[in-house]
Amino acid sequence: GAGVSQSPSNKVTEKGKDVELRCDPISGHTALYWYRQSLGQGLEFLIYFQGNSAPDKSGLPSDRFSAERTGGSVSTLTIQRTQQEDSAVYLCASSRGRGDYNEQFFGPGTRLTVL
Amino acid sequence: AQSVTQLGSHVSVSEGALVLLRCNYSSSVPPYLFWYVQYPNQGLQLLLKYTSAATLVKGINGFEAEFKKSETSFHLTKPSAHMSDAAEYFCAVSVSGAGKSTFGDGTTLTVKP
Repeated sequence: GAGVSQSPSNKVTEKGKDVELRCDPISGHTALYWYRQSLGQGLEFLIYFQGNSAPDKSGLPSDRFSAERTGGSVSTLTIQRTQQEDSAVYLCASSRGRGDYNEQFFGPGTRLTVL
Repeated sequence: AQSVTQLGSHVSVSEGALVLLRCNYSSSVPPYLFWYVQYPNQGLQLLLKYTSAATLVKGINGFEAEFKKSETSFHLTKPSAHMSDAAEYFCAVSVSGAGKSTFGDGTTLTVKP
């Protein structure tokens, strides 16, 4: 079956531009997560969706970051006015139910480079 | 809030040697614990998880981990390393109601021939 997919796989943008990253979770998975992985760093939690609502947005680094999820499926992470420190791999994961005890299935990530 | 610490950002072992990757957690309530592996140029995948059943958990590819409440640890072991085990390993912790897991900084495992 299809896993979690993310697009684009790579994105190079100029400082100050807006970018949109897309995540398609596994069909039927109600929970969806966004993480950021910088070079040599662990996974930094950004936001978590249960259905279309986001009970936990605590990890969004600034108000330049926003995310939405529609139809309990696809999610987009938007970064406005990108900065060089936003360069990282952005990972999306989904799980069958709550992520407390359920396995998270990860996508391959989007590598964002801000010049 | 829960947290996890992985001791040693890089571990190097010889092929056939014991693999031991350390993870300590902090949680005020009983935790759920996970180990994920990220092979080069691939996404993370679950190795094993502890959800308050048996304290010794067996996972894929011959890995296992033991939950030790007294030591707040969940170390990952494999008796004999293979070259194919070279990857980055992440420990994660969650608690009931959190809805999400908190990940450690990862440990890169190198296997020498």
